[in-house]
Amino acid sequence: AQTVTQSQPEMSVQEAETVTLSCTYDTSENNYYLFWYKQPPSRQMILVIRQEAYKQQNATENRFSVNFQKAAKSFSLKISDSQLGDTAMYFCAFMKLDSGAGSYQLTFGKGTKLSVIP
Amino acid sequence: KAGVTQTPRYLIKTRGQQVTLSCSPISGHRSVSWYQQTPGQGLQFLFEYFSETQRNKGNFPGRFSGRQFSNSRSEMNVSTLELGDSALYLCASSTAGPGIGQYFGPGTRLTVT
Repeated sequence: AQTVTQSQPEMSVQEAETVTLSCTYDTSENNYYLFWYKQPPSRQMILVIRQEAYKQQNATENRFSVNFQKAAKSFSLKISDSQLGDTAMYFCAFMKLDSGAGSYQLTFGKGTKLSVIP
Repeated sequence: KAGVTQTPRYLIKTRGQQVTLSCSPISGHRSVSWYQQTPGQGLQFLFEYFSETQRNKGNFPGRFSGRQFSNSRSEMNVSTLELGDSALYLCASSTAGPGIGQYFGPGTRLTVT
C-alpha cells in the first residue's frame, strides 16, 4: 500500500514571498503520478499541478513548481510570489495506475494548512 | 465546460437512516470516484466507477455502495447511518488518462445526529 506524508501541518508566508511545502511518499511502484491539490476554506478542491514519475523534468504551472526527487520519494511544492488567494489546505496525492483494471485511485496526505499574511 | 456537480450540498440525517448522494461529472468524463473527508482520517478513497462498472473499492464497510449510470452520473448510498459517517463526501471525475488528474466537485456535507 502507498502512503503519503506531509510533515508540516501548518505554515505561513508573507505576501509576495516564496514558500515550499514538503511531501514524501512510500511506494514500491515504478510508474505513478503525483499531484498537489488546493482546498480553499469552504471551497472545492482544485488541481494545482501534476507530475508523471517517468519524467525527470519538474512540472511548473505559473507560480507553482515542484521539486520531484524520485529516488528520495520526495515531491515538494514551491509557491512563488505568494498571494492572499493562495491561503488554503494543500494536499499531496499519489496515484498508482492499476494496469490490470485501469483503476484510478488517489492516496492523499493529511494536508498542510497554508496562510498567506498581508 | 461545467464542473463536477454534487447534490445535495448539505444533509442532516439520523442514525439508522440511509442516504443517497448524487454526482454529475464533467461532460465527457467517464471515471467517477468518491472520497470521504473527515478531520481525523483526512481524505479516504471510497470507490471508483468507469462505464457503469466499479473498478476499485476502498476499505469501507458494505454499508457504503455506489453505482454509475449510462450518462456517467453516479450515486453513492450509505445505509444504516452511524455518527462516524458524518463527513464531507467528495466526488471527482476524470478522463481516460490517469495522469490528467481528477477534478472534484464541491462535496456533500453529511451530518448524522
